[in-house]
Amino acid sequence: GNSVTQMEGPVTLSEEAFLTINCTYTATGYPSLFWYVQYPGEGLQLLLKATKADDKGSNKGFEATYRKETTSFHLEKGSVQVSDSAVYFCALKPGTASKLTFGTGTRLQVTL
Amino acid sequence: GAGVSQSPSNKVTEKGKDVELRCDPISGHTALYWYRQSLGQGLEFLIYFQGNSAPDKSGLPSDRFSAERTGGSVSTLTIQRTQQEDSAVYLCASSPRGVAGNAGELFFGEGSRLTVL
Repeated sequence: GNSVTQMEGPVTLSEEAFLTINCTYTATGYPSLFWYVQYPGEGLQLLLKATKADDKGSNKGFEATYRKETTSFHLEKGSVQVSDSAVYFCALKPGTASKLTFGTGTRLQVTL
Repeated sequence: GAGVSQSPSNKVTEKGKDVELRCDPISGHTALYWYRQSLGQGLEFLIYFQGNSAPDKSGLPSDRFSAERTGGSVSTLTIQRTQQEDSAVYLCASSPRGVAGNAGELFFGEGSRLTVL
């Protein structure tokens, strides 16, 4: 079946530190991959996506590269800010599937 | 507002009672999803509505769970004879055409937190 595995949180970083949140997946075929973010008191929202191998999704300084050989889609940011504190969810959509499969979420806490 | 609206935001109930959770999707969005987020778990798919098609109910965990969508807009998720393991945040999301047609962007509400005592 399809599944997403994320690193467990919480991840606590100082402002301006480098961020990596690991995500690996299991899926049939060639899925599309996503990162969603949930800020405190808000609903989940799409952060970035990649639809095929070697694609890089990017948004708000965050990046993730679709690595087919390692079945990974790790989220990175060079310099985090306090405002990046949130829960980050990795997700996949196989082919023409009508629903997304999500990971468990990773909480990021950025301190001054 | 223009986003997905869910109510109630918090619900505390006693074991064995029935609960209804409501979702108002973004106007014009034909696809509507319910997910469940339990402590330490990912988002668990429950049910998917797309236009007038038969819903995909493959994620409903038991026959105590049901959902309907009236007039292609508002949806209600009903849990009968609630159990403590039903305690979770229930998330509703909508999208213009369903993720198969729009490459995966779902618009989520803030969720309804259900606590079963």
